[in-house]
Amino acid sequence: DARVTQTPRHKVTEMGQEVTMRCQPILGHNTVFWYRQTMMQGLELLAYFRNRAPLDDSGMPKDRFSAEMPDATLATLKIQPSEPRDSAVYFCASGFTGTGVNQPQHFGDGTRLSIL
Amino acid sequence: AQTVTQSQPEMSVQEAETVTLSCTYDTSESDYYLFWYKQPPSRQMILVIRQEAYKQQNATENRFSVNFQKAAKSFSLKISDSQLGDAAMYFCAYRSGFPGANSKLTFGKGITLSVRP
Repeated sequence: DARVTQTPRHKVTEMGQEVTMRCQPILGHNTVFWYRQTMMQGLELLAYFRNRAPLDDSGMPKDRFSAEMPDATLATLKIQPSEPRDSAVYFCASGFTGTGVNQPQHFGDGTRLSIL
Repeated sequence: AQTVTQSQPEMSVQEAETVTLSCTYDTSESDYYLFWYKQPPSRQMILVIRQEAYKQQNATENRFSVNFQKAAKSFSLKISDSQLGDAAMYFCAYRSGFPGANSKLTFGKGITLSVRP
């Protein structure tokens, strides 16, 4: 079965450090999403790409977060500098959207991030 | 903006019994999709079932079925013959169906389902 691959699965680091999370979407999918899951806020969209172009990053704190898709097989989410309030599970999801086609999103296993 | 509400934080069901998880949503759109995702302790997000708003027939997937009430903006999930492996957090989610619209998912807060042996 094709799946979305996220690395690392867990990350513990100290406040102020740079954190990079990576995602390999399912081959052939043209949309990539980054979601953050916390106890207080639940699941929220951070950023959304279609055909590698960023379409919506309104949920992302711009001063410290950045999301990119260097190529169709890799999406990255960076936090610099990290803060304790960034501790959460970060999910990447991919899907395919086209004319008359709107397939469900497939999720990776998430990165559990802990900022000390 | 669309909102999804899951008002029950927790539910419990006896193994082999049936349980219904509630979800309501608010939207001004006429074309959209609704989903139920399951998140077990392993934290994977697993698609359980989906419903297209334009379809009147309720979706079913084996032991899982939905009761989609478009006028009432209600989308409940029924799990029949509950199994221990059904224990998880369940999220209701909404996505716009308009071409070119942001296809992000808007999630409810989730409901934790426990299954008693």
